[in-house]
Amino acid sequence: GEDVEQSLFLSVREGDSSVINCTYTDSSSTYLYWYKQEPGAGLQLLTYIFSNMDMKQDQRLTVLLNKKDKHLSLRIADTQTGDSAIYFCAESKDSNYQLIWGAGTKLIIKP
Amino acid sequence: EPEVTQTPSHQVTQMGQEVILRCVPISNHLYFYWYRQILGQKVEFLVSFYNNEISEKSEIFDDQFSVERPDGSNFTLKIRSTKLEDSAMYFCASRTYNEQFFGPGTRLTVL
Repeated sequence: GEDVEQSLFLSVREGDSSVINCTYTDSSSTYLYWYKQEPGAGLQLLTYIFSNMDMKQDQRLTVLLNKKDKHLSLRIADTQTGDSAIYFCAESKDSNYQLIWGAGTKLIIKP
Repeated sequence: EPEVTQTPSHQVTQMGQEVILRCVPISNHLYFYWYRQILGQKVEFLVSFYNNEISEKSEIFDDQFSVERPDGSNFTLKIRSTKLEDSAMYFCASRTYNEQFFGPGTRLTVL
């Protein structure tokens, strides 16, 4: 069945770039998403990419998609303490747009 | 900025009791969803709703669950007879085009 995998933790120094990786199994995915969850808060849509694209940039965020390897990444430039959160990768594949989720990567910022 | 709201933020109930979780989607959205996240596990799709009917549901969404849009603004999830394993964070989402926006969640604790 469909599956989305992420590393559970990533630790980076403040000011460095963070790269959060995700792999998925369903090649028929249409959209791939990144959501952010801060402690005690809901799921905030950060960005998404259509499956026929390979890159999308939005201010400090860059999404790269390698469809052949079914690999998605989120790069956060100049990581700040406010970026501390859990980052979820999710895919949708059909007209219903139901999301299939990774387990989330906790981004830890070191001073 | 419009947002999805959910009430209550935390619900504690006894096993076997009925609970209703409430959501107010973003006003011009037409597609609505419920997801849940059991502590330490992935976010899981429960059900989607469009045009006053369920469009898709997962295996989790059995006869104990129901959804309703009783008026033009609310979208509710009812669990008829709660079990211990229903304890989770329940997220409501609404969608326009390909973007799903989530509420802050309701933490359901079944004792």
